[in-house]
Amino acid sequence: AQSVTQPDIHITVSEGASLELRCNYSYGATPYLFWYVQSPGQGLQLLLKYFSGDTLVQGIKGFEAEFKRSQSSFNLRKPSVHWSDAAEYFCAVGAKGTYKYIFGTGTRLKVLA
Amino acid sequence: DAGITQSPRHKVTETGTPVTLRCHQTENHRYMYWYRQDPGHGLRLIHYSYGVKDTDKGEVSDGYSVSRSKTEDFLLTLESATSSQTSVYFCAISGTGDEQYFGPGTRLTVT
Repeated sequence: AQSVTQPDIHITVSEGASLELRCNYSYGATPYLFWYVQSPGQGLQLLLKYFSGDTLVQGIKGFEAEFKRSQSSFNLRKPSVHWSDAAEYFCAVGAKGTYKYIFGTGTRLKVLA
Repeated sequence: DAGITQSPRHKVTETGTPVTLRCHQTENHRYMYWYRQDPGHGLRLIHYSYGVKDTDKGEVSDGYSVSRSKTEDFLLTLESATSSQTSVYFCAISGTGDEQYFGPGTRLTVT
């Protein structure tokens, strides 16, 4: 079955600390992978995407993610978190030609001053 | 930001009444999607459209219908609203079908 798992429902980090949000997927085809961020009361904003090629992808707001096929993972990282990064983060998987995504259930990030 | 608007942004309605939510885009994108977002479930696809008058069901389509009579508008209708349809509804668009851009959402409460 196709699925996306974000194992951490909530994560709390101190401002300036590094961050890693986990995403594991189960998908039959070669996946397209995405990370979105949602601030309270807002829609989802695309942070970064992976289609093919270099497995380390850079996104907006200083975020990066690494695709590891052997581990079926696409973890999101940021070296130094800012208070404005507090939000909910969603991982999603799709594939070329399917036109549809499967979303994870999200990880809510809290940043301590 | 992608030109996507949703209307209304907030709605309270009674059980059994019909409700229509509208998604409007100015990007001339081919693909449009309706999702619902509920705590603990992430986003789940209700219906999507791959062109004018071309639509298909998503994973949670029961109780919902859609229509797309022109490229820029995608309507989601709850034929007879139930309390289980209380949710936040998001519209998304895509030019290629590969990456999606989301609207601001509509919060629907069914009492």
